[in-house]
Amino acid sequence: GQQLNQSPQSMFIQEGEDVSMNCTSSSIFNTWLWYKQDPGEGPVLLIALYKAGELTSNGRLTAQFGITRKDSFLNISASIPSDVGIYFCAGPGNTGKLIFGQGTTLQVKP
Amino acid sequence: SAVISQKPSRDICQRGTSLTIQCQVDSQVTMMFWYRQQPGQSLTLIATANQGSEATYESGFVIDKFPISRPNLTFSTLTVSNMSPEDSSIYLCSARTAVYEQYFGPGTRLTVT
Repeated sequence: GQQLNQSPQSMFIQEGEDVSMNCTSSSIFNTWLWYKQDPGEGPVLLIALYKAGELTSNGRLTAQFGITRKDSFLNISASIPSDVGIYFCAGPGNTGKLIFGQGTTLQVKP
Repeated sequence: SAVISQKPSRDICQRGTSLTIQCQVDSQVTMMFWYRQQPGQSLTLIATANQGSEATYESGFVIDKFPISRPNLTFSTLTVSNMSPEDSSIYLCSARTAVYEQYFGPGTRLTVT
């Protein structure tokens, strides 16, 4: 079945550093979504991407829809302690239901 | 966007009992979903809650164990029946507003003893 692979699985960085994570698939996706989940909360939609090559920002976050339509990237600039959480990529599978990656856990050291 | 609330936020239940989780969306939505998530893990779709008809369940989930209601376009319930410790998990309600944009509730943290 369709799968989304996120890397890295976890990151431990210093406050102020930039962060990059990605999401890849063996099949084409027409939409990419990026979510953040804080401990004890539900996932929050950060960015939605709809066109190959699209680059979209939300504050310090920037996400890109890969040209091949098989990958997407999320960058966080100048990380702060509240960036801590799990970041999930997601995309609609062949049935229209969202498929989620396994998540990237981000820890930020003040 | 959509703002989703869930009740209860957490519960501790005895084996063999049932718990009904309520989900309220602040606007009418066409599609609502129920997910399960183990701490630190990804999300697993349980079912799509269909308004006016039976829910559509994913492989491994059955109606007798997870009955779902959706009486209107803003409300749904998920019941976890005849619970066992293996049902301990986070249960998340989700609603789709436009294209594939989906929003999530805060989750219900269930512990079965």
